[in-house]
Amino acid sequence: GAGVSQSPSNKVTEKGKDVELRCDPISGHTALYWYRQSLGQGLEFLIYFQGNSAPDKSGLPSDRFSAERTGGSVSTLTIQRTQQEDSAVYLCASSLGARPQHFGDGTRLSIL
Amino acid sequence: EDQVTQSPEALRLQEGESSSLNCSYTVSGLRGLFWYRQDPGKGPEFLFTLYSAGEEKEKERLKATLTKKESFLHITAPKPEDSATYLCAVQAGNYGQNFVFGPGTRLSVLP
Repeated sequence: GAGVSQSPSNKVTEKGKDVELRCDPISGHTALYWYRQSLGQGLEFLIYFQGNSAPDKSGLPSDRFSAERTGGSVSTLTIQRTQQEDSAVYLCASSLGARPQHFGDGTRLSIL
Repeated sequence: EDQVTQSPEALRLQEGESSSLNCSYTVSGLRGLFWYRQDPGKGPEFLFTLYSAGEEKEKERLKATLTKKESFLHITAPKPEDSATYLCAVQAGNYGQNFVFGPGTRLSVLP
């Protein structure tokens, strides 16, 4: 398919463990976004990549969260020493410049 | 601070009963207002972009309008398959990502 792909679709882990979430954006899209969506809440911005520019990390909630984007394509969001409040759906979106974002179906993260 | 609110929080309609969803915003320098549809367990699906007051966009039973303070998503003669959460987002500022999403309206259309 040509859409945004995220993996895994579901992740259950124990408190204190590290997790990595992966996003494959639409080919050719220069912008990539990570959001967090908690139950009944709106989307919370985490981090934004645009081309080769330095990422906008202003939404990352703590230094346990980090993300990278390799080769201007695939991105990985890493959460270290997970806490129960990290449980949420993590959504990735990509876009061509300033055009509307196209979202993946998210990774549902559950911290036990 | 840029803010987006949506009302109502939830809406139940009978099939064929037209209604409107509201998105109110306060932003500095609106670059665009976006409507998305989100089905359970799925990511948001793009519906419309509106850029300036007075602009309207239509797609099937949906019509989005924009004023300087709010946007409406009008649903005409809805069908059960229109049931979803509808999200509004604004892009503000002069650069960067600066998207702010509202909490959404959960729409249920009963047959």
